[in-house]
Amino acid sequence: DIQLTQSPSFLSASVGDRVTITCRASQGVSSSLAWYQQKPGKAPNLLIYAASTLQSGVPSRFSGSGSGTEFTLTITSLQPEDFASYYCHQLHTYPWTFGQGTKVEIK
Amino acid sequence: EVQLLESGGALVQPGGSLRLSCATSGFTLQNFAMNWVRQAPGKGLEWASGIRGFGDTTYYAVSVEGRFFISRDNSKNTLYLQMNNLRPEDTAVYYCAKARYDCSGGSCYRYFEDWGQGTLVTVSS
Repeated sequence: DIQLTQSPSFLSASVGDRVTITCRASQGVSSSLAWYQQKPGKAPNLLIYAASTLQSGVPSRFSGSGSGTEFTLTITSLQPEDFASYYCHQLHTYPWTFGQGTKVEIK
Repeated sequence: EVQLLESGGALVQPGGSLRLSCATSGFTLQNFAMNWVRQAPGKGLEWASGIRGFGDTTYYAVSVEGRFFISRDNSKNTLYLQMNNLRPEDTAVYYCAKARYDCSGGSCYRYFEDWGQGTLVTVSS
């Protein structure tokens, strides 16, 4: 199975901060990687697919980059509604796998 | 508008069985790959099972293979997950998720575009 390791697992930040989350894959996944945001008690919400394509309706402060084994999710100016958990997800090889998640909390 | 509505979650004893349903609307079910993703209390997301669109090829995580079975009834626009021999570690919120498969510029990508609200399965004596 392809393992995805996110760093950091926990992040404390302030409104307006630039935030970067890294996702490393144990094997190459080309650009078959997505990012989701999840708020407590809610289903995940797609942010980015194909490593860098912004899902329709997602604010442009979110961006993704990378290919192969290393990927990043960047939030350029953190907003109050962005405090949530974030997960990367590889859809290159079955079984599909998720990273362990990164929780972004208010400093 | 795409809608996914899970049901069937319950409290069940270890070794028991349960069938989850995901009622869909707003799209043609048979044209899309569908998946079940679960989340144990306070934990991260775990993909459990998937079924391809335009066919019935199925896939399972090692943790559920041989115990869980995914299927769909296109005439009822419903996805199912039959869960047998349940274990305490199967306790989780179970989400159904609709996958998209897009191709452009010679490359194709999958992603989970739409998710249901989830249904809670608790396995405990």
